[in-house]
Amino acid sequence: GAVVSQHPSRVICKSGTSVKIECRSLDFQATTMFWYRQFPKKSLMLMATSNEGSKATYEQGVEKDKFLINHASLTLSTLTVTSAHPEDSSFYICSARDHGRLHHGYTFGSGTRLTVV
Amino acid sequence: GQSLEQPSEVTAVEGAIVQINCTYQTSGFYGLSWYQQHDGGAPTFLSYNALDGLEETGRFSSFLSRSDSYGYLLLQELQMKDSASYFCAVYTGNQFYFGTGTSLTVIP
Repeated sequence: GAVVSQHPSRVICKSGTSVKIECRSLDFQATTMFWYRQFPKKSLMLMATSNEGSKATYEQGVEKDKFLINHASLTLSTLTVTSAHPEDSSFYICSARDHGRLHHGYTFGSGTRLTVV
Repeated sequence: GQSLEQPSEVTAVEGAIVQINCTYQTSGFYGLSWYQQHDGGAPTFLSYNALDGLEETGRFSSFLSRSDSYGYLLLQELQMKDSASYFCAVYTGNQFYFGTGTSLTVIP
């Protein structure tokens, strides 16, 4: 089945530094990947749609200069949280769709728990 | 904008049946999915309904009424391992937007 690998699973960084999160589709090509953010006991909030070879599309209220997305290949999208602050601490999850599958189900990465101290 | 509402918490007894409802208001609708998420884990796909009616997959069934903008997930023969959060998600043709999530607790 479709597998999406997300790395790192946990990261602790100092306030003011930047953190890069990688999302890879392992056994399929993903022209589009999605980045979500989830607070404890809350829903997944779509942050942006990452498109291979072009600019990402950000949801309303998401700062594109804060959350840099790069989708340089058909199997890799990265999310960089720039100048991180404690309020950026959250669970970040990527997902991608294998267009060879019929059920419109998107496969999710295992998530990255970011803690900014 | 997008709005998907679910009950926040549901508790049910092992072996019983539970229904988790989802009502939605979205701009664009292709179908409704359900995902399961255990604490600290990634969401896993359960079902997808594009047409009205009931879809059955083992112990789980999912229902959709497009005219009512409503769907539900039905879990039968509940097991302790079913304790998790369940999210409905609307597929707009481009993305999935997720509901508020329902925390299911299965008790002995």
